[in-house]
Amino acid sequence: DIQMTQSPSSLSASVGDRVTITCQASQDIRKYLNWYQQKPRKAPKLLIYDASILETGVPSRFSGSGSGTDFTFTISSLQPEDIATYYCQQYDNLPPTFGQGTRLEIK
Amino acid sequence: QVQLVESGGGVVQPGRSLRLSCAASGFTFSSFGMHWVRQASGKGLEWVAVISYDGSNKYYADSVKGRFTISRDNSKNTVYLQMNSLRAEDTAVYYCAKDSRTLAVDPGSGDFWGQGTLVTVSS
Repeated sequence: DIQMTQSPSSLSASVGDRVTITCQASQDIRKYLNWYQQKPRKAPKLLIYDASILETGVPSRFSGSGSGTDFTFTISSLQPEDIATYYCQQYDNLPPTFGQGTRLEIK
Repeated sequence: QVQLVESGGGVVQPGRSLRLSCAASGFTFSSFGMHWVRQASGKGLEWVAVISYDGSNKYYADSVKGRFTISRDNSKNTVYLQMNSLRAEDTAVYYCAKDSRTLAVDPGSGDFWGQGTLVTVSS
């Protein structure tokens, strides 16, 4: 199975800050990476697919980049409603595997 | 709009069985694969199984292979997860998710998720 190493595991930032989360795959996954947002007691919501494509309706302050083994997720200006846990997931190979998550808090 | 509603969760003793259902609406169900993903309390996401749009291909996580069976009824717009020989470590919220790829032999990933159903395995 492909291992996804996500960092940091938690992050505290202020409203308006630029926030970056990284995800590293244990082998080449080309562009096949998702980023999900999960708020407490809610289902995950897909934000970005194919590493950099914004899902319809997702605010443009969210972005993703990378290919191969190294990927980055960025919130350009943190908003209070962005408080959540974020997960990366590869879907190049079965089984699809997730990173361990990054819990984002407001400072 | 896309809607996925899971049901069938509950408390079950170790070794017993449970069947989860996921009723879909708002999209052409028979054109998309469907996933089950679970999340233990306070933990991360674990993919469980996927079934292709026509039911011809099924894949499972090693942790459930031989115990869980995924199936679908396209006439009822419903996907199922039959869980046998349940263990305490199967305790989790189980989500169904619509696959992102249309009429795909190889599954993609979940682009829309239901709200989940809680399964608790305990004596």
